[in-house]
Amino acid sequence: KAGVTQTPRYLIKTRGQQVTLSCSPISGHRSVSWYQQTPGQGLQFLFEYFSETQRNKGNFPGRFSGRQFSNSRSEMNVSTLELGDSALYLCASSLGEAPSGANVLTFGAGSRLTVL
Amino acid sequence: GQQVMQIPQYQHVQEGEDFTTYCNSSTTLSNIQWYKQRPGGHPVFLIQLVKSGEVKKQKRLTFQFGEAKKNSSLHITATQTTDVGTYFCAGPGSGGSNYKLTFGKGTLLTVNP
Repeated sequence: KAGVTQTPRYLIKTRGQQVTLSCSPISGHRSVSWYQQTPGQGLQFLFEYFSETQRNKGNFPGRFSGRQFSNSRSEMNVSTLELGDSALYLCASSLGEAPSGANVLTFGAGSRLTVL
Repeated sequence: GQQVMQIPQYQHVQEGEDFTTYCNSSTTLSNIQWYKQRPGGHPVFLIQLVKSGEVKKQKRLTFQFGEAKKNSSLHITATQTTDVGTYFCAGPGSGGSNYKLTFGKGTLLTVNP
């Protein structure tokens, strides 16, 4: 079956702009998590959605937002981009119905954002 | 908040040597997961450990979950160049953070052929 699809794969923006990233989870997966990966900070949790509801949010400023649609597809948005937002943004899907952590994450290939 | 720490940050070995990475959580975990990320790739799930003291093997890889369920290790016997990558451990939060998987910063393994 198809894996987790993230679009776009690469993008370049300038400071102050905004960006929207998209994630299509594995068919049947209802949970989508977003992570920011940078060389210095590793994988930082942004947020997790299940059935269109945000269940958990990481320690990121309000410029980072997300949503999930009824078909489980998810988007994340970053407004007023800063240089430090340059990173690989990874989306991961899971079934989402088991208790904590029992859900194995399947990651997409990521969207690499460069902010100039 | 919950912290997951991994050591070492980097490890360079000669092909055929063994490799071990250690993971420690600031809180007791209901389970721990391990992922591998190849250079230029994305994290891929390796294994999940649930029981206290659990040991699981996958060919040359041995995973352990500590008795107190706060630490874990991954040991690779006789490394090969295909083992190159960053190995991450990850644990879930508790209570309201059940669905947040916190990752360690990973151990980057390089193998000299």
